Amino acid sequence: QSALTQPASVSGSPGQSITISCTGTSSDIGGYDYISWYQQHPAKAPKLLIYDVSNRPSGVSDRFSGSKSGNTASLTISGLQAEDEADYYCSSYTDSGTLVLFGGGTKLTVL
Amino acid sequence: EVQLVESGGGLVQPGGSLRLSCAVSGFTFNDYEMNWVRQAPGKGLEWLSYISTHGSTIYYADSAKGRFTISRNNPKNTLYLQMNSLRVDDTAIYYCARQDRREVVAGQNLDFWGQGILVTVSS
Repeated sequence: QSALTQPASVSGSPGQSITISCTGTSSDIGGYDYISWYQQHPAKAPKLLIYDVSNRPSGVSDRFSGSKSGNTASLTISGLQAEDEADYYCSSYTDSGTLVLFGGGTKLTVL
Repeated sequence: EVQLVESGGGLVQPGGSLRLSCAVSGFTFNDYEMNWVRQAPGKGLEWLSYISTHGSTIYYADSAKGRFTISRNNPKNTLYLQMNSLRVDDTAIYYCARQDRREVVAGQNLDFWGQGILVTVSS
């Protein structure tokens, strides 16, 4: 089963906003609102940023926001900071086989 | 403070077995569903398995079916992953992850993760 499709890399300058896309199908992103986003710094465990498309766990900055349109989910980071430089992964429930799909990950570079 | 600590990793030959453990503290273990996720070197995340609060419901990714077994011992606050018939492509960092209680589907909303444990399968 194919992973969700994310851009390999994105970049932005401090203070700017960036958006990371995550494209799936009607069997996953398009059909359900069970989408999570994770941030992973090098050699660290992933950290939950967004769950159920657009909800932020307690303690996560409101600079991070999630949305969905059709078969594509998006993570937007506003007011970019140097500490946001990391890998970002989307994940979705899927009704076809494996239950959970991850995206291939997007490396964010803060210029 | 919520803590999840994996152990049991290491070097194993192809065809061998390992049992990973994930000792948890700082929360009521038997109130939470749990998952295992892995990450091959330089690669992305791959969900492996889910177990319900008392172990009555279990799911596996295709890559884990028939070879890996998830289990839990609630009185010992420990999650396990028994891995058999290991292959070179099972080489990865293995993470245990807690699932938020509000989540209604397996494998989403993983709100706390262990630091990971490296499993290397090589001859």
